[in-house]
Amino acid sequence: DQQVKQNSPSLSVQEGRISILNCDYTNSMFDYFLWYKKYPAEGPTFLISISSIKDKNEDGRFTVFLNKSAKHLSLHIVPSQPGDSAVYFCAASRTTSGTYKYIFGTGTRLKVLA
Amino acid sequence: GAGVSQSPRYKVAKRGQDVALRCDPISGHVSLFWYQQALGQGPEFLTYFQNEAQLDKSGLPSDRFFAERPEGSVSTLKIQRTQQEDSAVYLCASRSLQGGYEQFFGPGTRLTVL
Repeated sequence: DQQVKQNSPSLSVQEGRISILNCDYTNSMFDYFLWYKKYPAEGPTFLISISSIKDKNEDGRFTVFLNKSAKHLSLHIVPSQPGDSAVYFCAASRTTSGTYKYIFGTGTRLKVLA
Repeated sequence: GAGVSQSPRYKVAKRGQDVALRCDPISGHVSLFWYQQALGQGPEFLTYFQNEAQLDKSGLPSDRFFAERPEGSVSTLKIQRTQQEDSAVYLCASRSLQGGYEQFFGPGTRLTVL
């Protein structure tokens, strides 16, 4: 029972266009969501997060949208750059659980074409 | 240090061998997490420490897996009698109690069991 799902294993986008990565979750107790970027042979790097009390959070080219009723979040990258090519993981957490452990999706490989 | 470090970066073990993986968290980070990432999957939670106390070990897949953090800083993940299914990247992350909920990941140790 995968609680966090990223249904698109890969995505290709032209440089300068928008990249939209999607993530669905099943556990309504999750109240904090994060996106991480991962390059080969490196650990995941934090990108952006959102609390369940918000529906949008923006940081430069990156925006995360949360639709709680649909249990869906998305990451928008505008404009996409070749350096954004990486695997993106969404993660969910229950901050009331006491451990703040993450449940990760399986990742989406983004390729930005120059 | 500047970030989370892990050693060794790569480990090849024969089936049945014991291995020990080390994690040096960011200085001052109270929380420490271990995750296991199998090929093509997202990281999966193994265990969580707050200082030297292991508060959650619900993700450890078997009693062959053991983690410790005796002085509340460096942590070691030990796997006894390794099996082929233990082959994965083992990620360590740390988090400060102040600030947001984001965890900072190390580069991981890639374990290959032959």
